[in-house]
Amino acid sequence: GESVGLHLPTLSVQEGDNSIINCAYSNSASDYFIWYKQESGKGPQFIIDIRSNMDKRQGQRVTVLLNKTVKHLSLQIAATQPGDSAVYFCAEKWSGGAGNMLTFGGGTRLMVKP
Amino acid sequence: NAGVMQNPRHLVRRRGQEARLRCSPMKGHSHVYWYRQLPEEGLKFMVYLQKENIIDESGMPKERFSAEFPKEGPSILRIQQVVRGDSAAYFCASSPLLDSHEKLFFGSGTQLSVL
Repeated sequence: GESVGLHLPTLSVQEGDNSIINCAYSNSASDYFIWYKQESGKGPQFIIDIRSNMDKRQGQRVTVLLNKTVKHLSLQIAATQPGDSAVYFCAEKWSGGAGNMLTFGGGTRLMVKP
Repeated sequence: NAGVMQNPRHLVRRRGQEARLRCSPMKGHSHVYWYRQLPEEGLKFMVYLQKENIIDESGMPKERFSAEFPKEGPSILRIQQVVRGDSAAYFCASSPLLDSHEKLFFGSGTQLSVL
């Protein structure tokens, strides 16, 4: 089965609130993680990435947190806007693994209520 | 500064026909990745190519599917004798980084529908 999964398939938040999207992974050897945003009918859009030697990385309105102890990854979106409505995917990679490829989770749909 | 370009956006084929999906990477990128996505699911890796070379095709079915990235022109994902189960969105991505599968920039995809 997939080594990357998400706790919540759908998350509904009020505009202006903060959003937290969670992701669990099972491969403790994964050393690179990435979050993508996918709007309807479009390809995944890179949001932010993080390596396993870090536990936090910030971008514009987004923060990714990595907890290697419990193999958990989260994406925090500050002051959520209607334009943030999309499906969010986490993906992991193990540099030492066969194929060196990204493994995607199943996605969480974020719905922002105005 | 165009992003990853895929065409066609939508492709309808009858069972048994051939599907050809094209992808032009971002300017300056020489590495192309093909992924497949079923509705409400994550992306599944199919194949990774550099110019004139297939680097990793471990995610691509052994039969009916092939991919190429010629010296000149776009990358092509070819599906022969399509079946209904091939219906999916096929995404191409490129990266400026060598053999890293990191910081992939995706195109808008080709939605293949097999009747």
